[in-house]
Amino acid sequence: NAGVTQTPKFRILKIGQSMTLQCTQDMNHNYMYWYRQDPGMGLKLIYYSVGAGITDKGEVPNGYNVSRSTTEDFPLRLELAAPSQTSVYFCASSYLDIDYGYTFGSGTRLTVV
Amino acid sequence: AQSVTQLGSHVSVSEGALVLLRCNYSSSVPPYLFWYVQYPNQGLQLLLKYTSAATLVKGINGFEAEFKKSETSFHLTKPSAHMSDAAEYFCARGGSARQLTFGSGTQLTVLP
Repeated sequence: NAGVTQTPKFRILKIGQSMTLQCTQDMNHNYMYWYRQDPGMGLKLIYYSVGAGITDKGEVPNGYNVSRSTTEDFPLRLELAAPSQTSVYFCASSYLDIDYGYTFGSGTRLTVV
Repeated sequence: AQSVTQLGSHVSVSEGALVLLRCNYSSSVPPYLFWYVQYPNQGLQLLLKYTSAATLVKGINGFEAEFKKSETSFHLTKPSAHMSDAAEYFCARGGSARQLTFGSGTQLTVLP
């Protein structure tokens, strides 16, 4: 049981480049989330999805896009990378409702130079 | 806005001493509350959760937390710290649309 798998683990981007962070879960969870983690700031929600075909913005969505074509996959797209997007990105999923808590992936460390 | 405040960004304890990590939430309605632990270069792992069934919640690795509505607190404790407890700890609360709001984290250092 792999849980939540994120790829790549590390990436360096140049300013203005684009990339997609991949997230896949094999637990048949309906809810999926993307967070970014910056030192001393905790985790901030970027986008979330309550099921295939349904996505919504979180607290810090600017500069990002998402799609949810299947239950398993929830990729995060960065267009025109900026230094402010240097961060650690975590994907998470949950079963039906919040009281189950989240299952997190191991993260993607992104540096924009 | 709903928020979570963790008092103390860094806490140091000696091995064998009591661990106390503080978390306060803002809400007039008791929310779902969680503690997560993050070891270096890893994702977050669920330690324990409060969902109104009991005010004292026991989690993994000997940790527990007590929900106190009058103090809007959900502090994390462990009677005796181990070296392996060194990590960053996050308090989180459930909100609308089934999202979690996280505190800024507390880095726990365990001294030999």
